[in-house]
Amino acid sequence: NAGVTQTPKFRILKIGQSMTLQCTQDMNHNYMYWYRQDPGMGLKLIYYSVGAGITDKGEVPNGYNVSRSTTEDFPLRLELAAPSQTSVYFCASSYPQDRGHEQFFGPGTRLTVL
Amino acid sequence: GENVEQHPSTLSVQEGDSAVIKCTYSDSASNYFPWYKQELGKRPQLIIDIRSNVGEKKDQRIAVTLNKTAKHFSLHITETQPEDSAVYFCAASSGGNNRLAFGKGNQVVVIP
Repeated sequence: NAGVTQTPKFRILKIGQSMTLQCTQDMNHNYMYWYRQDPGMGLKLIYYSVGAGITDKGEVPNGYNVSRSTTEDFPLRLELAAPSQTSVYFCASSYPQDRGHEQFFGPGTRLTVL
Repeated sequence: GENVEQHPSTLSVQEGDSAVIKCTYSDSASNYFPWYKQELGKRPQLIIDIRSNVGEKKDQRIAVTLNKTAKHFSLHITETQPEDSAVYFCAASSGGNNRLAFGKGNQVVVIP
């Protein structure tokens, strides 16, 4: 199993540009999450999904959108990129809590907005 | 929502000594407390976790203790080795659906 994979690894955007960060998991996990990690800070939850067709906002959703059309994929869309969105983005997945709590993380996407 | 704080922010220890990192949380309804290790440039990985019905859990050189009354939990690393150098994040369950609230992380440096 590849686990959780993310593309791209790195990206530089200009202010106002848009992009989609891709996330795929092959563990048949129902739950998926998007976090951002700023230097010296912990992980902040952007959006999460408990299954295909269901998404919900986390702690810092402004400036982002998500979709969940399949169990495997959970893309994160940035519209009108701003310097404040410069961060490392991690996708994670897990089973529902009655089957285990562990969240498995992808390798991350380092995004710079100039 | 849940608020998780970690202390100290940086910890330096001599190889072979023990390291202890403490976290406090605010929501008494939280019932799951994991610790993640993140090496430089890598993804966070779970190293140990504890549920609220247990006071202590050990896995080889690492252990976690939970004090529900005081709302704090701690990570203990014994016989530290250079490969233990990393940032350690604590987290607490927050709001259901397996969501977690993370602390800001502790940089642990093991000095050979």
